[in-house]
Amino acid sequence: DAGVTQSPTHLIKTRGQHVTLRCSPISGHKSVSWYQQVLGQGPQFIFQYYEKEERGRGNFPDRFSARQFPNYSSELNVNALLLGDSALYLCASSTTGMGFEQFFGPGTRLTVL
Amino acid sequence: QKEVEQDPGPLSVPEGAIVSLNCTYSNSAFQYFMWYRQYSRKGPELLMYTYSSGNKEDGRFTAQVDKSSKYISLFIRDSQPSDSATYLCAMMDSGGYQKVTFGTGTKLQVIP
Repeated sequence: DAGVTQSPTHLIKTRGQHVTLRCSPISGHKSVSWYQQVLGQGPQFIFQYYEKEERGRGNFPDRFSARQFPNYSSELNVNALLLGDSALYLCASSTTGMGFEQFFGPGTRLTVL
Repeated sequence: QKEVEQDPGPLSVPEGAIVSLNCTYSNSAFQYFMWYRQYSRKGPELLMYTYSSGNKEDGRFTAQVDKSSKYISLFIRDSQPSDSATYLCAMMDSGGYQKVTFGTGTKLQVIP
């Protein structure tokens, strides 16, 4: 079975631009969560979606938004990019939405210049 | 003060050694305790999770949780070079949504 997939793998943007990151969960998984991992740090929770509804939001500005589609795939959007948004963006999926059983994708590495 | 504290290492051990990795936390609401392994430029991989206090064993890995001390540990027996990775502890409460709080990760190198 395919695991969590994310696209693109790498992305380079400039300050002020907008970016969209995509995630496809494991088949049968209805929950998707997004995390930001800055180099040398642990992942930080951004959003969780379950059955297309937002279930939780971390301490991130409104420039960050996300949505989940009927097929349970998800997009993370970041507006007005800042240098500090450079990070590995991870998507995780689970069947029930419980954080202790989530599976992570390989991530999208975003570099903001 | 961070909710979860973890020594970033790096920690270097010889092959076959017993490795001890630890985290402390401040939020007494945490009920679920997880350990992830992350290889360079990859996503984290769940190794095991524990609910509340106690021990859990899975092959060469043993997780321990001491809620009274707010201290969790992961032990790796007979360490192998393939265990070389960053180990992240993670925690969550039993709230309405499943926000997971991670430590910064400990980088482990097992030397052949």
